[in-house]
Amino acid sequence: AQSVTQLGSHVSVSEGALVLLRCNYSSSVPPYLFWYVQYPNQGLQLLLKYTTGATLVKGINGFEAEFKKSETSFHLTKPSAHMSDAAEYFCAVSEPGGFKTIFGAGTRLFVKA
Amino acid sequence: DTAVSQTPKYLVTQMGNDKSIKCEQNLGHDTMYWYKQDSKKFLKIMFSYNNKELIINETVPNRFSPKSPDKAHLNLHINSLELGDSAVYFCASSQEGPWRTEAFFGQGTRLTVV
Repeated sequence: AQSVTQLGSHVSVSEGALVLLRCNYSSSVPPYLFWYVQYPNQGLQLLLKYTTGATLVKGINGFEAEFKKSETSFHLTKPSAHMSDAAEYFCAVSEPGGFKTIFGAGTRLFVKA
Repeated sequence: DTAVSQTPKYLVTQMGNDKSIKCEQNLGHDTMYWYKQDSKKFLKIMFSYNNKELIINETVPNRFSPKSPDKAHLNLHINSLELGDSAVYFCASSQEGPWRTEAFFGQGTRLTVV
């Protein structure tokens, strides 16, 4: 069965600092992986996704993530945090051919001025 | 134009009532979903429909009944509402299954049962 673990329910960084949000997954087959962002009182929107091919994936707003099969990880990074990055971030996994996406518990990112 | 729209955005109702949430997508997608987000932000899939056919029903109580009149609509009807049903409900859609493309989410419906 698939599962997703996001380490740290809350992460706080200073504006301009590196953002690192951790995600580990479990899947019986090579997974498809996603990061979504949720701003207050809004739905989720896709930041980036990994399906096949290049393991370093670039997304919107300067975010990127690297798929590491040996570590079963898909951590999200951004070199320099901006105040507008403050939001809830969800890592998610889908199995090829399935109709279900499993979401992690979410990590709330705080950005300090 | 809103890609995935849900109505209403807020819903406050008493225990025991029956209520519906409507969802429409104008993206031409084949697959639609209902997710429940609890107070701790945990997102759990409830139902998945592909071409109007129910694909996934994640052990949701029978009081919840989805209906898909056509590929662009997936409504959620809830009977005999309970306090524990209070949550934010999200409708989403994707082209084919979620393994190929991302899901597009609606703004959510915040349901409060009192």
